[in-house]
Amino acid sequence: GDSVTQMEGPVTLSEEAFLTINCTYTATGYPSLFWYVQYPGEGLQLLLKATKADDKGSNKGFEATYRKETTSFHLEKGSVQVSDSAVYFCALAHTGNQFYFGTGTSLTVIP
Amino acid sequence: GAVVSQHPSWVICKSGTSVKIECRSLDFQATTMFWYRQFPKQSLMLMATSNEGSKATYEQGVEKDKFLINHASLTLSTLTVTSAHPEDSSFYICSARGRDTSYEQYFGPGTRLTVT
Repeated sequence: GDSVTQMEGPVTLSEEAFLTINCTYTATGYPSLFWYVQYPGEGLQLLLKATKADDKGSNKGFEATYRKETTSFHLEKGSVQVSDSAVYFCALAHTGNQFYFGTGTSLTVIP
Repeated sequence: GAVVSQHPSWVICKSGTSVKIECRSLDFQATTMFWYRQFPKQSLMLMATSNEGSKATYEQGVEKDKFLINHASLTLSTLTVTSAHPEDSSFYICSARGRDTSYEQYFGPGTRLTVT
C-alpha cells in the first residue's frame, strides 16, 4: 500500500541554518506530494505541493522537488527563522482519495 | 483560499458522555469530508471518509458505533464520540474536498478532546 517515510526528529537548528527534512514515499501510480506544517496548538496548513515528477513546490522560502527516480520529496530551506519552529508533515494523495501522512518532524529553531 | 472550520476547538467531557464535533466548509461545497485522529507526537490517522448524503466509510479498526459520522449537507459534517472514555482523548481534525478535481484537501484547525 501507499506510505510515506519521514526522517526522525526532533530537529534543532540555529537561526539562519540550512534545513533539510527527508521524505520518501511508496505508491502505486503517480500521486501528488505535499508538505504540511502544524504550529503548536493549531491544525495543518498546506506549505507546498507538487503534482507530477520533476515539479518543484515552493512557498515562504521552502522548496521540495518531486523526484520519481528516488521516490523522494525532501523539504529544504536555505535560512530558517525562529518562526519556522513547527511540526512538518510529508504526505501523498491520489486524485480524490485519502491522504497518507508521514509521522511528522518537529523543528525547533533557536536564536 | 478555501476555509474549513471546526467547532468546538477544544472540549472536556466526563467519561460515559457523548460529544459532537462539527466540521464546516465556509466558502465551498464539500462533496467529501475526511476525519482524522492525531495522537500526541504522532501523525494523522484517517478514521473515516464521508460523502454528502451517504453513509461514512470507516477505516479498519475504527468503531463505527462509537464514532458516528453524519454528512447531511455539502457544508457540514459531524463526528459524535459516543460513551467517551479517557482513551478517546485526542486531537480530531477534519478535512474537506470540493467539487472540483483538485487533489487538495482543506484542513480544519482541529478539536482537542479531553475525556476525564
